[in-house]
Amino acid sequence: SAVISQKPSRDICQRGTSLTIQCQVDSQVTMMFWYRQQPGQSLTLIATANQGSEATYESGFVIDKFPISRPNLTFSTLTVSNMSPEDSSIYLCSVGLGTGRETQYFGPGTRLLVL
Amino acid sequence: GEDVEQSLFLSVREGDSSVINCTYTDSSSTYLYWYKQEPGAGLQLLTYIFSNMDMKQDQRLTVLLNKKDKHLSLRIADTQTGDSAIYFCAESTDYKLSFGAGTTVTVRA
Repeated sequence: SAVISQKPSRDICQRGTSLTIQCQVDSQVTMMFWYRQQPGQSLTLIATANQGSEATYESGFVIDKFPISRPNLTFSTLTVSNMSPEDSSIYLCSVGLGTGRETQYFGPGTRLLVL
Repeated sequence: GEDVEQSLFLSVREGDSSVINCTYTDSSSTYLYWYKQEPGAGLQLLTYIFSNMDMKQDQRLTVLLNKKDKHLSLRIADTQTGDSAIYFCAESTDYKLSFGAGTTVTVRA
């Protein structure tokens, strides 16, 4: 498995501001992902964070709203831009490990509340 | 994305077996997963199964996969109070996970 940490663990933000969430892994991983879990909901994939190139976004998510950086194989950031109360969610990063990168482990999540 | 469906709630007596069911639609799924989420916590990977297997056992956990019917189940033997949580079924296509809505398991004494 991998040890994955996220910062901050939680935050309360004002609408219109931006928050950058960090994800750090204790080993080099090829695949990193960002998910969102809205209150009482399941998880939805936001994007795949690609090292050395632009992130790949899922339908309904755009780079201007959720810019992602992946400067190396152990670190990634997700920014939630121009926040509104609808962005209140848990944001989780995950990494793919294993021979075929089939096992996905999740970070502890960042709990965001937008007022 | 592809649909993954689960029942929303399950109540089980301590010591009994729990069975959580899941159906999915994507026939090209390569792996299927069960995750556990306790209140206020992140997601814990419990177990996963490759799509060409029909059963996997890991201590108290047994995963059954019926690929023809696209049906996945998780059996927890001797359910304990610490097993109370939300259990998510997920399927993987091209390394991307699609999750079900989660089954809230409540263990009663």
